[in-house]
Amino acid sequence: DGGITQSPKYLFRKEGQNVTLSCEQNLNHDAMYWYRQDPGQGLRLIYYSQIVNDFQKGDIAEGYSVSREKKESFPLTVTSAQKNPTAFYLCASSKGGQYGYTFGSGTRLTVV
Amino acid sequence: EDQVTQSPEALRLQEGESSSLNCSYTVSGLRGLFWYRQDPGKGPEFLFTLYSAGEEKEKERLKATLTKKESFLHITAPKPEDSATYLCAVPPGSSNTGKLIFGQGTTLQVKP
Repeated sequence: DGGITQSPKYLFRKEGQNVTLSCEQNLNHDAMYWYRQDPGQGLRLIYYSQIVNDFQKGDIAEGYSVSREKKESFPLTVTSAQKNPTAFYLCASSKGGQYGYTFGSGTRLTVV
Repeated sequence: EDQVTQSPEALRLQEGESSSLNCSYTVSGLRGLFWYRQDPGKGPEFLFTLYSAGEEKEKERLKATLTKKESFLHITAPKPEDSATYLCAVPPGSSNTGKLIFGQGTTLQVKP
């Protein structure tokens, strides 16, 4: 079955450490997105990519980086410059345009 | 500014007690309104897409409707398994990048 896979499910980051969240899809979708979800704040867009080797900043890109070397993969790195990284991170993919998203199951990142 | 507002933030119902969730939006040139269901610790799951005022869609105990300013998610005779957070989202009016603006969600609890 086609779908979108995020790993790991839980991730712990020490102060000053970079961590990378994985997102893989086999839906043949062109567009992929990273959102951050905090209690009471809804989903906020971090980065998105509409095509391989191209990506754009979302509303809260500071302290994050991404790459899109393959259509299937859109990893997110949370750098040490992100001062408040504890959150639930959601990856999504879409055919683009007016189509809705297919979401992954999320990664919960905690700073220890 | 494009905006999506959901109300109420939280809703508690007894099993069988019908109610409605509201999603108000301000965006120029609506190109679709999406409803998702999210269970705790999981990614959102697609429910409906509505495109034009007057449109309605149904799935089991859920019915979504759309006007020019808002959408309603009607829940008829809910069951405890309907307990979840319901999110609505719209594409921003200014771009066709596939981005979605999400509301903060309504958390529904249905007690037996």
